[in-house]
Amino acid sequence: DTAVSQTPKYLVTQMGNDKSIKCEQNLGHDTMYWYKQDSKKFLKIMFSYNNKELIINETVPNRFSPKSPDKAHLNLHINSLELGDSAVYFCASSQDSLIWGYTFGSGTRLTVV
Amino acid sequence: AQKITQTQPGMFVQEKEAVTLDCTYDTSDPSYGLFWYKQPSSGEMIFLIYQGSYDQQNATEGRYSLNFQKARKSANLVISASQLGDSAMYFCAMREDSGFKTIFGAGTRLFVKA
Repeated sequence: DTAVSQTPKYLVTQMGNDKSIKCEQNLGHDTMYWYKQDSKKFLKIMFSYNNKELIINETVPNRFSPKSPDKAHLNLHINSLELGDSAVYFCASSQDSLIWGYTFGSGTRLTVV
Repeated sequence: AQKITQTQPGMFVQEKEAVTLDCTYDTSDPSYGLFWYKQPSSGEMIFLIYQGSYDQQNATEGRYSLNFQKARKSANLVISASQLGDSAMYFCAMREDSGFKTIFGAGTRLFVKA
């Protein structure tokens, strides 16, 4: 039973389209995150939700909109996709306490053509 | 502002030898956590080890140990008895107690030679 599951694993789409990536965790964690990993493998946080409340919103184009219907789900919706959005997007979750590392999903490789 | 630096883009190590991956950090928060993650070629991110800023002893998890030198603000990962399966990207990360955000270093790609 996957702890943090992301779907889809691969997403190829044309510029201008709107797409969503879903994330679900069954660990009972309070906090969920979206990270973007670029072609140079650099990981940058995008958003974080704690108990359905947005707590981190980094400098991300407003074409990106996270949605957390409950604390086990954090979906990422992207409008008007651009070539530069091509990357691997990771969902992660953690307990609030500092000592816990993240549990990551398997990643979604988004390719915009 | 918090910052993580990994200065080794790539490292080679012979199988069965030990290897140290460097990580330095910067923060003004007295309470923070340091983490290492492994990313194999398959792409998943795997949590390896955690060190708290107030921990007196260096963290160890099996063949992984974290060489924590607080005054130098370094948190190097030591992998003992390297195995071929250790070939991967390794990321150092930090999270301040005052926030939820974990930031990651640029990563070090480790190659284990047979």
